[in-house]
Amino acid sequence: GALVYQYPRRTICKSGTSMRMECQAVGFQATSVAWYRQSPQKTFELIALSTVNSAIKYEQNFTQEKFPISHPNLSFSSMTVLNAYLEDRGLYLCGARDWGANTGQLYFGEGSKLTVL
Amino acid sequence: GDSVTQTEGPVTLSEGTSLTVNCSYETKQYPTLFWYVQYPGEGPQLLFKVPKANEKGSNRGFEATYNKEATSFHLQKASVQESDSAVYYCALSDLSAGNKLTFGIGTRVLVRP
Repeated sequence: GALVYQYPRRTICKSGTSMRMECQAVGFQATSVAWYRQSPQKTFELIALSTVNSAIKYEQNFTQEKFPISHPNLSFSSMTVLNAYLEDRGLYLCGARDWGANTGQLYFGEGSKLTVL
Repeated sequence: GDSVTQTEGPVTLSEGTSLTVNCSYETKQYPTLFWYVQYPGEGPQLLFKVPKANEKGSNRGFEATYNKEATSFHLQKASVQESDSAVYYCALSDLSAGNKLTFGIGTRVLVRP
């Protein structure tokens, strides 16, 4: 079946430092990867949608300068949170979409939890 | 833009009773509708999806009908179990918006034994 792995599961970083997180799709081709942040208020915020061979589309309030994303192939994506501050804390979720699927279903990893001190 | 509104939690109920979590949506197109469930410490898992209006989705005793006229997709279960305690998210995906998945705020359900 389709599985998505994210790592690290948890990171604690000092304010102003950066954190890189990775997302691995297993058992299917992840043509699109969506990165979300789940804040302490438990809302899913879409950060960006990355599609192989297309430009990465960032949502309002999120920028490439702050959240650079790499999606080099159909099984892997990474995102970095640069200069993390308290407001960046939360659970970062990677959702991968299967090749050819047009219903928008995402397979999610278990998330990378970021704590900023 | 697209939006999803759902029952504000927490919803607390006893084992064996029925559950309804309301979900309504706004979109200009014809979306696919989803229910996701998230257990503590895990990412959200798909419960089921319904791509067409007037059809019903179901899984693990949960069900919801895609009501295009009412723009609703209410989640129901006739008899809940303690293991159903989780946060439930209603979501929609719109092809015209690049298949962007828009989530509701989530409804925490607590089932007491």
